[in-house]
Amino acid sequence: GAVVSQHPSWVICKSGTSVKIECRSLDFQATTMFWYRQFPKQSLMLMATSNEGSKATYEQGVEKDKFLINHASLTLSTLTVTSAHPEDSSFYICSARRASRANYGYTFGSGTRLTIV
Amino acid sequence: GQSLEQPSEVTAVEGAIVQINCTYQTSGFYGLSWYQQHDGGAPTFLSYNALDGLEETGRFSSFLSRSDSYGYLLLQELQMKDSASYFCAVREGGGNKLTFGTGTQLKVEL
Repeated sequence: GAVVSQHPSWVICKSGTSVKIECRSLDFQATTMFWYRQFPKQSLMLMATSNEGSKATYEQGVEKDKFLINHASLTLSTLTVTSAHPEDSSFYICSARRASRANYGYTFGSGTRLTIV
Repeated sequence: GQSLEQPSEVTAVEGAIVQINCTYQTSGFYGLSWYQQHDGGAPTFLSYNALDGLEETGRFSSFLSRSDSYGYLLLQELQMKDSASYFCAVREGGGNKLTFGTGTQLKVEL
């Protein structure tokens, strides 16, 4: 149980375009999902917390207008990188936590390798 | 501010035991977790400590000392497939978000 599906697994786009990444909890409902960015050989940096039915909470330094997050249902959150530029190239990973698991239970998607050319 | 410090690299031989340390300084603390991540893959959960002491899960064990803001992951009977990056992470209260450590790259050699 506790499977999180993330799509696409990789994408290459031209500079200036927008890219949407989907994160789905397949066998549980997730009122909260998390979006991380990871550069090569570095740690996972939390970008934002996605809340079902309300606005996302962004970490300090993350541009809200550039990284649009939508959490329209209990099983789906999307991250849209708008007007992407080469510096946005990174590995993006989503995570969800089962509401009933008090101690742990964070499950991660398989990640999206975004390359902007 | 939040900080979770780990050694950047550790090298060990197959069959050995290795310990990866994590010292943390966070505004909230609701447990220390450990995750494994292979290159290009997703982090996978290994172990969790909410209270002081040792938790054992097969070849992996994790230790926590809240008074010292310190924990470690112990890997026994190392195998080549254990070569990966390992991250400690602290769960904060309220928003339940995870803050990850700097990460340790483990290389297992023959």
